Amino acid sequence: AQTVTQSQPEMSVQEAETVTLSCTYDTSENNYYLFWYKQPPSRQMILVIRQEAYKQQNATENRFSVNFQKAAKSFSLKISDSQLGDTAMYFCAFMKGGTSYGKLTFGQGTILTVHP
Amino acid sequence: NAGVTQTPKFQVLKTGQSMTLQCAQDMNHEYMSWYRQDPGMGLRLIHYSVGAGITDQGEVPNGYNVSRSTTEDFPLRLLSAAPSQTSVYFCASSYSYRGTQETQYFGPGTRLLVL
Repeated sequence: AQTVTQSQPEMSVQEAETVTLSCTYDTSENNYYLFWYKQPPSRQMILVIRQEAYKQQNATENRFSVNFQKAAKSFSLKISDSQLGDTAMYFCAFMKGGTSYGKLTFGQGTILTVHP
Repeated sequence: NAGVTQTPKFQVLKTGQSMTLQCAQDMNHEYMSWYRQDPGMGLRLIHYSVGAGITDQGEVPNGYNVSRSTTEDFPLRLLSAAPSQTSVYFCASSYSYRGTQETQYFGPGTRLLVL
């Protein structure tokens, strides 16, 4: 079974600054996907970024980037130029490759607050 | 496309009552799942389906039933609600393409309070 751990229950950052959210995972699989989801107060789950384990290059989406360290089983999210709209709960999630049927294993979540 | 829809948005139940949380998707996705979200625990998988007529248990299936008679719908039934089932419930759907698992689409969630 897989486990995902987010060790930072809460983080805060000033507007326009950079913040990094941590995530570690444990798996014996070699083929898998990792995700960061954002959940604003509306509760909607919004995909922020996706990383395939076989890709060595770190995924990037505008101001969001990841540091994927496969050997260390670490998958951190960096948010650059933080904006007030980034205030949300952030979840790290794991999905097996192959016949996973879309099943996700989530971390506990990190509440991020961006201050003006 | 409406994507993934869930009804109701909010529901209050008394202990022992039964109810069905509805989930529908109009994207012809083969895979559908139910998760519950509790503080400090993230989202946990309750049940999932890989196609019409095929369902299986996830991490926390006790107290919940599912069925999938069509590709579009995947209702979650609480047979006898308990306060421990107070939670936010999310339905999700996805598909695979050429061996690659595509990203999950989530519904807006249903907040359930069991008194």
